[in-house]
Amino acid sequence: EAGVAQSPRYKIIEKRQSVAFWCNPISGHATLYWYQQILGQGPKLLIQFQNNGVVDDSQLPKDRFSAERLKGVDSTLKIQPAKLEDSAVYLCASSLGPGTTVEQFFGPGTRLTVL
Amino acid sequence: TQLLEQSPQFLSIQEGENLTVYCNSSSVFSSLQWYRQEPGEGPVLLVTVVTGGEVKKLKRLTFQFGDARKDSSLHITAAQPGDTGLYLCALAGGTYKYIFGTGTRLKVLA
Repeated sequence: EAGVAQSPRYKIIEKRQSVAFWCNPISGHATLYWYQQILGQGPKLLIQFQNNGVVDDSQLPKDRFSAERLKGVDSTLKIQPAKLEDSAVYLCASSLGPGTTVEQFFGPGTRLTVL
Repeated sequence: TQLLEQSPQFLSIQEGENLTVYCNSSSVFSSLQWYRQEPGEGPVLLVTVVTGGEVKKLKRLTFQFGDARKDSSLHITAAQPGDTGLYLCALAGGTYKYIFGTGTRLKVLA
């Protein structure tokens, strides 16, 4: 079974530039998550989708971050414009459905450096 | 806002030693998960505990859920270099929003 795919793996940009990350979840997984992991910290949930609808985006900085999951499969996360504090690893995860005991399967992440 | 505090933050030990890491919350939680994350990869689920007082074993790893369901521990017996990584506890709050702990970074020296 193929895992969660993410691209690119690394990205370096200047502040105020835009960047987009792509995620392809495990086939059949209805729930998709985007996390931000700053160096030395645990992942922080940015947005959670159930199929193509948003379940929770309370921690997404909506003035600069946006995400979509068209057709309930692939997802993209965009930052526009980027700030220095956005430097982090962006992790995508998927699970069969929502719940308190579901197993989330994570991709390898995209490491973003903002200069 | 529910927070998960993990301790210690860093741990460096010799191969063959035992260790315990902790995860604590100010609130009661219905279930808790432990993940391990290796450099350059995403976290991988190790175990889910759901019952107060529950103990689960996974080879040399023993997970315990506190009786009051406000804390959990992970004990590793005879640590090996392959156990090196970031250990994260996590729980799902309202609307199934997952919260991860601050993490314990473990390094096992050969």
